[in-house]
Amino acid sequence: EAGVAQSPRYKIIEKRQSVAFWCNPISGHATLYWYQQILGQGPKLLIQFQNNGVVDDSQLPKDRFSAERLKGVDSTLKIQPAKLEDSAVYLCASSLVGTSGREQFFGPGTRLTVL
Amino acid sequence: AQSVTQLGSHVSVSEGALVLLRCNYSSSVPPYLFWYVQYPNQGLQLLLKYTSAATLVKGINGFEAEFKKSETSFHLTKPSAHMSDAAEYFCAVSERRMNYGGSQGNLIFGKGTKLSVKP
Repeated sequence: EAGVAQSPRYKIIEKRQSVAFWCNPISGHATLYWYQQILGQGPKLLIQFQNNGVVDDSQLPKDRFSAERLKGVDSTLKIQPAKLEDSAVYLCASSLVGTSGREQFFGPGTRLTVL
Repeated sequence: AQSVTQLGSHVSVSEGALVLLRCNYSSSVPPYLFWYVQYPNQGLQLLLKYTSAATLVKGINGFEAEFKKSETSFHLTKPSAHMSDAAEYFCAVSERRMNYGGSQGNLIFGKGTKLSVKP
């Protein structure tokens, strides 16, 4: 079974530029999550999708971050414009459903460096 | 609000020694608890989870964790460390909900503990 795919693996941009990350979840997984992992910290949830609808985006900085999951499969996370403090690893995860106790499967992440 | 505290950002053990990684949670009701492992440049992989069955949970790679409600703890142990265990370990809590709806299923992670294994 293929795992969660993410691209690119690494990205370096200058502040005020825009960037986009792509995630393809495990086939059949209805729930998709985007996490931000800053160096030295645990992952923090940015947004959760159930199929193509947003379940929770309370911690997404909506003035610069946006995400979509068209057709309820792939997802894209965008940052525009980027700030220095956005340097982090962006992890995508998926699960069969979004209920508590379900295992989330993580992709390898995209490491973003903002100069 | 729920939270997770991992005591010790870095733990070093000798190969063959006991591994003990500490995790304490804060929650008004017993939550679901998880341990994930992250190898360099990789995503997180589930080691084990507690979902209210047995309080002693066995996971992959010889790890286990014991849920202690009175201590609000979920410490991770392994009797004998191996060089391949060197990685970062994250404890996480997920709010317990009986019905789907809203934002349950979110994981709240601790800051992580980096485990080093000396030969």
